[in-house]
Amino acid sequence: DQQVKQNSPSLSVQEGRISILNCDYTNSMFDYFLWYKKYPAEGPTFLISISSIKDKNEDGRFTVFLNKSAKHLSLHIVPSQPGDSAVYFCAASETGTASKLTFGTGTRLQVTL
Amino acid sequence: NAGVTQTPKFRILKIGQSMTLQCAQDMNHNYMYWYRQDPGMGLKLIYYSVGAGITDKGEVPNGYNVSRSTTEDFPLRLELAAPSQTSVYFCATKPNSSPNQPQHFGDGTRLSIL
Repeated sequence: DQQVKQNSPSLSVQEGRISILNCDYTNSMFDYFLWYKKYPAEGPTFLISISSIKDKNEDGRFTVFLNKSAKHLSLHIVPSQPGDSAVYFCAASETGTASKLTFGTGTRLQVTL
Repeated sequence: NAGVTQTPKFRILKIGQSMTLQCAQDMNHNYMYWYRQDPGMGLKLIYYSVGAGITDKGEVPNGYNVSRSTTEDFPLRLELAAPSQTSVYFCATKPNSSPNQPQHFGDGTRLSIL
């Protein structure tokens, strides 16, 4: 029962272009969503988050959009840079559950020159 | 300030052996978590703790035990290692229950059971 799904295992984007990573969820009780970035042999690092009371959150080159009715969120990276090449995980949590995270399976982003 | 420190980084165990994965944090965070990540999969929660003396099961607790005697340390114990426990284990911490405070992860322990 995969409650958080990232249906694209990989994505390749040219440097300078926009990268769009998608995430779908099934549990309507989720009310906080996060994106983590992971390099090989390192732990995930927090990138950006969004509360269910918002539909957009922006931090520099990173923007997360949330469509609650579709149970869908996306991460936009503009412009993409070679250093953005990593695995990106979408995660979700529910208020009152000790902030336990449910993760998607990840999308490997490769930014090419 | 080391953040979240996991030891060892790598370990190979034989089936049936036991070991403890260590997680230490110096941020005085109340919440601590153990996740495992299998190849091509997302992280799955094993156990978590909201403070010293308080632990609870996550999604995949079978075959593991934890304790939380101090705020700083949250060891994960494998009693009888099985091949299915081959994975990368991540420890994470969080100051409190506020959703605005994300979890901080250690760099993981890669465990192989042969």
